[in-house]
Amino acid sequence: EAGVAQSPRYKIIEKRQSVAFWCNPISGHATLYWYQQILGQGPKLLIQFQNNGVVDDSQLPKDRFSAERLKGVDSTLKIQPAKLEDSAVYLCASSLSADTSYEQYFGPGTRLTVT
Amino acid sequence: AQSVTQLGSHVSVSEGALVLLRCNYSSSVPPYLFWYVQYPNQGLQLLLKYTSAATLVKGINGFEAEFKKSETSFHLTKPSAHMSDAAEYFCAVSGDAGGTSYGKLTFGQGTILTVHP
Repeated sequence: EAGVAQSPRYKIIEKRQSVAFWCNPISGHATLYWYQQILGQGPKLLIQFQNNGVVDDSQLPKDRFSAERLKGVDSTLKIQPAKLEDSAVYLCASSLSADTSYEQYFGPGTRLTVT
Repeated sequence: AQSVTQLGSHVSVSEGALVLLRCNYSSSVPPYLFWYVQYPNQGLQLLLKYTSAATLVKGINGFEAEFKKSETSFHLTKPSAHMSDAAEYFCAVSGDAGGTSYGKLTFGQGTILTVHP
């Protein structure tokens, strides 16, 4: 079974530029998560999708971050404009459903450096 | 609100020694608790989870954790460390069904485990 795929793996941009990350979840997984992991900290949930609908985006900085999950499969996370404090690893995870008993499977992440 | 505190950002052990990584949680509802491992440049992998069944949970790679409600703890242990255990470990909590935190993981800040030969 293929795992969660993310691209790019690394990205370096200057502040005020825009950037987009892509995630392809495990086939058949209805729930998709984006996490932000700042160096030295645990992952923090940014947004949760159930199929193509948003379940929770309470911690997403909506003035600069946006995310979509068209057709309930792939997802993109965009930052525009980027700030220095956005430097982090962005992890995508998926699970069969939002039920906690189902394991979340994580992708390898995209490491973003904002200079 | 739920939270997780991992005591010790770095733990160093010798190969063959006991591994003990500490985790305390705060939750207003009966929690689900998890331990994840993260190897360099990789995503997180689930080691084990507690979902209100047996309080002693066995996971992969010889790890286990014990849920102690009175101490609000969920410490991770392994009797004998192996070089391949060197990684960063994260404890996480989620609320049970019906709560606003259900299905949402809140992570601790992580503990880096170093294993010396």
